[in-house]
Amino acid sequence: AQRVTQPEKLLSVFKGAPVELKCNYSYSGSPELFWYVQYSRQRLQLLLRHISRESIKGFTADLNKGETSFHLKKPFAQEEDSAMYYCALITSGTYKYIFGTGTRLKVLA
Amino acid sequence: GAGVSQTPSNKVTEKGKYVELRCDPISGHTALYWYRQSLGQGPEFLIYFQGTGAADDSGLPNDRFFAVRPEGSVSTLKIQRTERGDSAVYLCASSLIATDTQYFGPGTRLTVL
Repeated sequence: AQRVTQPEKLLSVFKGAPVELKCNYSYSGSPELFWYVQYSRQRLQLLLRHISRESIKGFTADLNKGETSFHLKKPFAQEEDSAMYYCALITSGTYKYIFGTGTRLKVLA
Repeated sequence: GAGVSQTPSNKVTEKGKYVELRCDPISGHTALYWYRQSLGQGPEFLIYFQGTGAADDSGLPNDRFFAVRPEGSVSTLKIQRTERGDSAVYLCASSLIATDTQYFGPGTRLTVL
């Protein structure tokens, strides 16, 4: 079955430190992968999707098919990055997201 | 323009009662999705509409759950004979077309006592 795993429930880093939020998936086909973010008291919103190959708010994510990973990275964390981050997968021929359980990022001053 | 809206924002009901949750998608969006998010979990897919029809209802947990979108815009998620395990945040999302980015609403927090 398709699955998205985010092994860390909570990740705390200091401001200015590098950040890596881990995401692994299980799917034998060609996946489409996303990172969604939820700031405090706000709705879930798209951060980035792998096919766009964009850098949003300094975050990047590279799809590694060999390791079935899509880790989210930022070289220098900022306090406003504190939020809940969800990795999500869409499998070929479907339009429904399969979400991971999320990682709460806390950036400490 | 306005984003996806959901009403009510909070709903408290008693076990065994019937509830309806409403979703207003972004104007012009043809695809609409319902997800359920339990505490400590990511959102889980329930059902997807393309226009008026349910294109994929594989995530509905049982026949107590039903959703409609009669005019291809507003959707209502209906839960009969609610159980305490139905307590969760119910999220609605819409996209311009099925392959496009999904935009989420603020959710309805359902509590079944």
